[in-house]
Amino acid sequence: ETGVTQSPTHLIKTRGQQVTLRCSSQSGHNTVSWYQQALGQGPQFIFQYYREEENGRGNFPPRFSGLQFPNYSSELNVNALELDDSALYLCASSLGGGVTEAFFGQGTRLTVV
Amino acid sequence: SQQGEEDPQALSIQEGENATMNCSYKTSINNLQWYRQNSGRGLVHLILIRSNEREKHSGRLRVTLDTSKKSSSLLITASRAADTASYFCATDAEDSGYSTLTFGKGTMLLVSP
Repeated sequence: ETGVTQSPTHLIKTRGQQVTLRCSSQSGHNTVSWYQQALGQGPQFIFQYYREEENGRGNFPPRFSGLQFPNYSSELNVNALELDDSALYLCASSLGGGVTEAFFGQGTRLTVV
Repeated sequence: SQQGEEDPQALSIQEGENATMNCSYKTSINNLQWYRQNSGRGLVHLILIRSNEREKHSGRLRVTLDTSKKSSSLLITASRAADTASYFCATDAEDSGYSTLTFGKGTMLLVSP
């Protein structure tokens, strides 16, 4: 078990709704990255936050947004949900400033109907 | 987009046998990491190999890296039923001042008792 916790574990939303997913990073880690994993695929990078600033972004539309708080916990917000947004959303924390391993949470399974 | 591609997509072996998974990638990297995922849950970091390293060991795991061929392999020796999981390689290519992971689609390993 890593020290990264995500909530909720499962979520069902209707197309067009908005959703907020939460992540508490491992103690001492100042960098949080979010990934989307569709069924049968590898995780795809959404964005990364370092010390409360967005530090990089993958190929996702602006309706995917995020926040990082002073305690380094983070939120992923998705507006105007589409059916293709159904996936496992993974949060990973790491110690920024160098090359290190990432510690993943157990993920939030989002189903859009 | 996915940078790495694992091969094979699926592998079925008996307990006690060795399992070898391969990963190919496209761009220059700082390091390559292998992760394990059980039943669509969070990813667990297994091993990190830097671009200037050729081989690394951790317990029953052996990873090799050939940067000239842009490929890596993960060997699990004396496999156990508990090794049944999906295995992903992830490349870390520093871009625009931040470091993030690009995953392949994974190899699904089934170890039968």
